[in-house]
Amino acid sequence: QKEVEQNSGPLSVPEGAIASLNCTYSDRVSQSFFWYRQYSGKSPELIMSIYSNGDKEDGRFTAQLNKASQYVSLLIRDSQPSDSATYLCAVIAGGATNKLIFGTGTLLAVQP
Amino acid sequence: DVKVTQSSRYLVKRTGEKVFLECVQDMDHENMFWYRQDPGLGLRLIYFSYDVKMKEKGDIPEGYSVSREKKERFSLILESASTNQTSMYLCASRGTPSREQFFGPGTRLTVL
Repeated sequence: QKEVEQNSGPLSVPEGAIASLNCTYSDRVSQSFFWYRQYSGKSPELIMSIYSNGDKEDGRFTAQLNKASQYVSLLIRDSQPSDSATYLCAVIAGGATNKLIFGTGTLLAVQP
Repeated sequence: DVKVTQSSRYLVKRTGEKVFLECVQDMDHENMFWYRQDPGLGLRLIYFSYDVKMKEKGDIPEGYSVSREKKERFSLILESASTNQTSMYLCASRGTPSREQFFGPGTRLTVL
């Protein structure tokens, strides 16, 4: 079982809709969770971090964390064509090294 | 804002050459990382460092070495470049308290 799993997509949504991106993780002791956005040919850009159960909102982005279900999601409201990118879920592994474990990413395509 | 810079955006080298990739961060972060990213394989950790002169192997260290003589600088060395090391190389840094990890712009290396 992969440590961090995401649906590779593509997830296609119309402009103005809500895009919902999902991620599950296997390490129950994980405490820190991140979403990165990566445009084609560019490096990952951190857009959200979440550390406790519940929702965290930042502009059009909302991260949701459910540690009991080992599930983290990212909602993008009022999706724009400029949101079209690959979204990477990342989780800090337990243990002393605190390595960041990445999912393989979900490709989001927002249709004008 | 955290800034992570990498010495080159694009690099072309010949098989057998020694290659140096440099990374500098300006936020006094303790932890620095080198990844490579290939289509279909996601982000893979090569080496990381949690302090000056300290280094730890990541998931794919073979064919690579690293150097961290100063806190702000982390270098990746390809001792004898091979064609299978053609990839996007990404440097990242992270301060221990925040655990948020920031990436540099990446170096696209082509080995001919």
